[in-house]
Amino acid sequence: GENVEQHPSTLSVQEGDSAVIKCTYSDSASNYFPWYKQELGKGPQLIIDIRSNVGEKKDQRIAVTLNKTAKHFSLHITETQPEDSAVYFCAASYNYGQNFVFGPGTRLSVLP
Amino acid sequence: KAGVTQTPRYLIKTRGQQVTLSCSPISGHRSVSWYQQTPGQGLQFLFEYFSETQRNKGNFPGRFSGRQFSNSRSEMNVSTLELGDSALYLCASQAPSTDTQYFGPGTRLTVL
Repeated sequence: GENVEQHPSTLSVQEGDSAVIKCTYSDSASNYFPWYKQELGKGPQLIIDIRSNVGEKKDQRIAVTLNKTAKHFSLHITETQPEDSAVYFCAASYNYGQNFVFGPGTRLSVLP
Repeated sequence: KAGVTQTPRYLIKTRGQQVTLSCSPISGHRSVSWYQQTPGQGLQFLFEYFSETQRNKGNFPGRFSGRQFSNSRSEMNVSTLELGDSALYLCASQAPSTDTQYFGPGTRLTVL
């Protein structure tokens, strides 16, 4: 079955710096890769996603890149702000999201 | 549009008891997935229901069960609770023929 690895497990950056979180997946059939942000006491919130027919996607300060050949995808957050502090999860799925597998998460701390 | 709602938000039970959690998906969404989230194991898939039928199942013991009603609301039941069942139980809904899952706030279950 699918296996998703995520690195680093914790990440501390200064406010205004960039943060990068990387994930690798094992199943070449996976074709949908979302990223979720989870704040304390809340459920995961979708922040950006990418499909296997696209190499990069941006939404303001957030971008995701996908390398299908290497089976890895990354989340890039620029100009980080304290409110970006949260746990971030990547996931991989196929067949219209019937088989979601999540990475273990990255705890991001943005220091003021 | 209202988001995914889960009730109750917090629950305390003792070993051996059973518990029922409820999830109401976003209007129009017919797929509901359940996940268990713990600090040690991360987000683990329990099962997915679509149009009142279980479509996928994760690797959890038979004590974990679920069902979905004709209005797409879903319940999950855990019987003979164990200390290790203490976790945040998350429900996610998905629109037909789409990839994206939207999560509810979760139910925090504590087993004493």
